[in-house]
Amino acid sequence: DTGVSQNPRHKITKRGQNVTFRCDPISEHNRLYWYRQTLGQGPEFLTYFQNEAQLEKSRLLSDRFSAERPKGSFSTLEIQRTEQGDSAMYLCASSLSRGHSNQPQHFGDGTRLSIL
Amino acid sequence: AQSVAQPEDQVNVAEGNPLTVKCTYSVSGNPYLFWYVQYPNRGLQFLLKYITGDNLVKGSYGFEAEFNKSQTSFHLKKPSALVSDSALYFCAVTLARGDTGRRALTFGSGTRLQVQP
Repeated sequence: DTGVSQNPRHKITKRGQNVTFRCDPISEHNRLYWYRQTLGQGPEFLTYFQNEAQLEKSRLLSDRFSAERPKGSFSTLEIQRTEQGDSAMYLCASSLSRGHSNQPQHFGDGTRLSIL
Repeated sequence: AQSVAQPEDQVNVAEGNPLTVKCTYSVSGNPYLFWYVQYPNRGLQFLLKYITGDNLVKGSYGFEAEFNKSQTSFHLKKPSALVSDSALYFCAVTLARGDTGRRALTFGSGTRLQVQP
């Protein structure tokens, strides 16, 4: 399977714990995005990388959230001191930036986070 | 700021009938527009996109969408619905390359399509 891979698929944790999610994009894709999706809503943008550079962060990304893409390949999203409101599906997407064409983003199946 | 409106939470259609899922957008500049489909507990699958050129774009699984700049709409259509088309559909917008602003997608709240046999 050469699609976007996210791990774990599900994460259940107690409030106040730290969690980390991993995203492996499609191998030749240089852009990587994180979104959050709550029940009944569309995905909301969190942050995105072009290669290893984090180019934009949403106001949704509080200081408890941090994302990295150290070698321009896989990315991690960490949430510290989790809160009930962090319960959501976290989606990763990747795309290829080439020329003047905006290539579509390809999404992984997400990590569903449940805070007890 | 950019935004997408999907005015219908749910669309019901009988199998074999044409379907339309509505989308309107607001963006400061030229838009790139997308439709995605989501099945339960899965990520989003790309259906089609409008970048430039013909206002009618064709995509996967027989879907098509019409870009209407004056009405700022990008409605998704299919001539003959299948039961297997039942899913959650999202419209999304981003600014065209060369415009200032984010590259990330702004999504609508989604429309659930239910196709009855």
